[in-house]
Amino acid sequence: AQSVSQHNHHVILSEAASLELGCNYSYGGTVNLFWYVQYPGQHLQLLLKYFSGDPLVKGIKGFEAEFIKSKFSFNLRKPSVQWSDTAEYFCAVIPMNSGGYQKVTFGTGTKLQVIP
Amino acid sequence: DGGITQSPKYLFRKEGQNVTLSCEQNLNHDAMYWYRQDPGQGLRLIYYSQIVNDFQKGDIAEGYSVSREKKESFPLTVTSAQKNPTAFYLCAFGGNTDTQYFGPGTRLTVL
Repeated sequence: AQSVSQHNHHVILSEAASLELGCNYSYGGTVNLFWYVQYPGQHLQLLLKYFSGDPLVKGIKGFEAEFIKSKFSFNLRKPSVQWSDTAEYFCAVIPMNSGGYQKVTFGTGTKLQVIP
Repeated sequence: DGGITQSPKYLFRKEGQNVTLSCEQNLNHDAMYWYRQDPGQGLRLIYYSQIVNDFQKGDIAEGYSVSREKKESFPLTVTSAQKNPTAFYLCAFGGNTDTQYFGPGTRLTVL
């Protein structure tokens, strides 16, 4: 069965620090990759996604992620975090099997706390 | 509301009672999903439906039931057979290979 690993469960950073959250998955074939964010009291929403093409993907609010196929990774980055980035971040993977329902698997999430 | 609503926001239930969580979407999407979110465990798929009158079990369907009588509605019933029902429940719609759009969630507490 496929799995998605987010090794950082809780990250605390000061404002203006750089952020990198790790995401690794176990599926060996073609995948669609996502980062979702859940701000306090808000809906879970899409931050960015990768299907194909340039492995460096830019999302909302200055976030970006890099797909490294050889490492089965899709790490999320931001050069300078703000207090408003305090949230929980989820990596998600959909394997692109041929036919049938394509099941999405979510990571366990990383809680980011940014200190002013 | 982003096209999807869930009610109620908070729900309390006594042990042994069934309870139904509502999920409605107004964007005419075929596919809808129910997830359970527990601290440190991410989101786990309970049930999904790709079309009216059809639904499939996800990874943790035991103790839950759903119906899909109308395209816009996908209610989830948490039955008394669910051993650990206290959790945050999220409903979503969207393509099964693309972005999913989530509702605000229902926090269920069993007393």
